[in-house]
Parts: sequence; C-alpha cells; structure tokens
Amino acid sequence: AQRVTQPEKLLSVFKGAPVELKCNYSYSGSPELFWYVQYSRQRLQLLLRHISRESIKGFTADLNKGETSFHLKKPFAQEEDSAMYYCALSGRDSNYQLIWGAGTKLIIKP
Amino acid sequence: DTAVSQTPKYLVTQMGNDKSIKCEQNLGHDTMYWYKQDSKKFLKIMFSYNNKELIINETVPNRFSPKSPDKAHLNLHINSLELGDSAVYFCASSPSAGLLEKLFFGSGTQLSVL
Repeated sequence: AQRVTQPEKLLSVFKGAPVELKCNYSYSGSPELFWYVQYSRQRLQLLLRHISRESIKGFTADLNKGETSFHLKKPFAQEEDSAMYYCALSGRDSNYQLIWGAGTKLIIKP
Repeated sequence: DTAVSQTPKYLVTQMGNDKSIKCEQNLGHDTMYWYKQDSKKFLKIMFSYNNKELIINETVPNRFSPKSPDKAHLNLHINSLELGDSAVYFCASSPSAGLLEKLFFGSGTQLSVL
C-alpha cells in the first residue's frame, strides 16, 4: 500500500538547535518525494523535492531508499521556520497524484 | 494578484444545506484540484480536472459535485451537508497533470457544518 508516515504531530525545538522532521514512506516502485510547508496564515507551498537535491531556506532532505525515508533537516533552526510541514510522494502507482503524510507542526522556541 | 483564489474563506452552515465553494486560477494552468484536509490534518485529493475534463475522482460521496466551466475555474458544490463534511477544502492548480513540483495551492476554505 502507498503510504506516507510522519510520526511526529508536533516538534518543538529551541532556536539555533538542529531540526529533523521525519518522513517514512511505503511504495512499491520509484516514488518522487516532496516536502511542503504552510506558514501561519499562508498557503501551502512546495519547500523542496528529492529530485532537485537543493537546499531551500537551509533545509535539506535526502532520499534513503534502503530505509524508505525522506527526513527533512536543518542544522540551526530559526524562529521563522515555525510552520506546518507535510511530506508527500508521487509516482506511477498513485497515478502521479500526491499521497500526503499527516503533517508535523514545528515550533521554534526563542 | 492572487494566483489561486478560493471563496469563501470561511463557511458556516447547517446540516442538510447545499453550498458551493468557488476556485479560480490566473496562472494559465491546465489542471485543477480539490483537496480535503480533515481534523487530523490529512490532505486527501478529491477531484482533478484537466482542461475541463474530470481525470481524478476519488471515493467521495456523490453529494460532492465538481464543476469546471472553463480551465481557469473549478467549483465544488456540496448537497445535503453533513457534520462529517466539516474540514478545510483546498483548491490547487498545476501547469499539467502530474507536474506536481509546480502545484500551487489556494488559501483554503474552512467549512463548519453545525
């Protein structure tokens, strides 16, 4: 079954501390993985995807096919990182539609 | 200059009523979507239209009927509203079906059924 699991509903860290938002997936083929972010009172928007291999706003995510994970990391959290983060996957088996995780609310404490 | 706009932003109504949510995009995209975000924050696709044609129709009660008068608009009509329909509904668009890295979301419509 195709599934995206974000085990933490809420993650709270201090400013300057490292952040890791976990994402695990279940998919039979080769999925494309995404991280979306929703800041307070803003629309949901793409943060990054594994194909582009870029760092956006200091965040990176590496696709680990062995562990079927796509964790989102940032070495030093900033207060403006506080938001709701969603992991999602897409692939042929999902008819190229996005399958979403439940989201993790990240709170950065000053 | 909002790219994907949904109206209304908030909708409070009684059980049994019929209501519509409108969505318009000015990005020139071919594909539009309706997503439902439930109380546990799960996002689930409901419908997708490509150039006014229905291409995705997930298991959704037939009380929900999408209508796409042109490729810039995708409206959602809901008949006989039930308590379980309370959720946030997001409209989105992309240049074409499957071009998900360019998926652009509206700001959501919070529907509360009393």
